[in-house]
Amino acid sequence: NAGVTQTPKFQVLKTGQSMTLQCAQDMNHEYMSWYRQDPGMGLRLIHYSVGAGITDQGEVPNGYNVSRSTTEDFPLRLLSAAPSQTSVYFCASRDRGATNEKLFFGSGTQLSVL
Amino acid sequence: AQSVTQLGSHVSVSEGALVLLRCNYSSSVPPYLFWYVQYPNQGLQLLLKYTSAATLVKGINGFEAEFKKSETSFHLTKPSAHMSDAAEYFCAVTKNQAGTALIFGKGTTLSVSS
Repeated sequence: NAGVTQTPKFQVLKTGQSMTLQCAQDMNHEYMSWYRQDPGMGLRLIHYSVGAGITDQGEVPNGYNVSRSTTEDFPLRLLSAAPSQTSVYFCASRDRGATNEKLFFGSGTQLSVL
Repeated sequence: AQSVTQLGSHVSVSEGALVLLRCNYSSSVPPYLFWYVQYPNQGLQLLLKYTSAATLVKGINGFEAEFKKSETSFHLTKPSAHMSDAAEYFCAVTKNQAGTALIFGKGTTLSVSS
């Protein structure tokens, strides 16, 4: 199993450009989530999903869109990139199971918006 | 809404000294708590997680945490620090009763000196 795969690993955008951060998992996990990590701010939840066709907003959803058409994929879209979206982005997934099932994290995408 | 407060953004200890990283939580539902560790330039790794079966939880690398409901705390400890423990540590609480995503604290950077 590959686990949680994020692409690309690095990306540089210009202000106003759009792009999609890809996230795929091969563990048949129903729960998936996106976080951004900024120095001194920890990880903040952007959006999450409890299954195909079902998504919800997290702590910092503005400027980001998500959709979940399959169990495996949970892409994060930046519609019009802003310098404030410069960050490291992590995708995570977990099995439905018990409430304290652990999250499996991807290796992250480092995004710079100029 | 669920939240986590980590007291002290930076903790410095000498090798062999006690490590104490503080975490307090706020939760409107029975909380499930986690500690994650991030070594430099790496992803997040689960250190330990709270289970309702025991208030004292043992994790990897000699770390443990005690859940104290009366104090709404889940502090992380290790009796004797090692140089390899230098990393950033994150406390997290489940966002809801199903545990579909996590809410993280801002993190504590642990430095270990010889």
